[in-house]
Amino acid sequence: DTGVSQNPRHKITKRGQNVTFRCDPISEHNRLYWYRQTLGQGPEFLTYFQNEAQLEKSRLLSDRFSAERPKGSFSTLEIQRTEQGDSAMYLCASSSPGGPWSSYNEQFFGPGTRLTVL
Amino acid sequence: QQPVQSPQAVILREGEDAVINCSSSKALYSVHWYRQKHGEAPVFLMILLKGGEQKGHDKISASFNEKKQQSSLYLTASQLSYSGTYFCGTGSPGTSYGKLTFGQGTILTVHP
Repeated sequence: DTGVSQNPRHKITKRGQNVTFRCDPISEHNRLYWYRQTLGQGPEFLTYFQNEAQLEKSRLLSDRFSAERPKGSFSTLEIQRTEQGDSAMYLCASSSPGGPWSSYNEQFFGPGTRLTVL
Repeated sequence: QQPVQSPQAVILREGEDAVINCSSSKALYSVHWYRQKHGEAPVFLMILLKGGEQKGHDKISASFNEKKQQSSLYLTASQLSYSGTYFCGTGSPGTSYGKLTFGQGTILTVHP
């Protein structure tokens, strides 16, 4: 296992369509995060899982967005009825559970899924 | 509110030094620094915690002034590989551990 993987890497869709992205974290990591990044900006937090529990959701995550991590391993992020404003890079990150620094462990980012909504 | 980074961009020649600043209007318990190259994922550089503890790479240093809610990243004897966009991510009391709010980034360009 060499890192966090995300699929697909690129997605082009028409406005109004639904899309789903997948994130596979580093295998022993129990924390998983989703971020959105637009051009020239830093990543914006969307949601966070510890194992299979979704512990926090950003107000940015409207009702059209849903994320799951059913078995505490991979996660999916679904966007329903996509809008042009959803066009962005969607980044997934994971972090490990252990050690005295566990609450502050570094987050390892995946390569991202670039979404373009036409 | 997201932290504010300064400068927005800096251009260096190899061997020169640079300082990137990150300032927050909120109380902080942690500051994380990442570097992102064009088209790639952010890569972890450093974590600084309230109380003075740090974790990161040997060749990169940083400071965290808790009272001023500011952090600075020090890049010395820059190399071409240092080029990229640097982001600070901050953690604040009252938010989930690990939830980071990122600044807008500082673009660093190192020329030969």
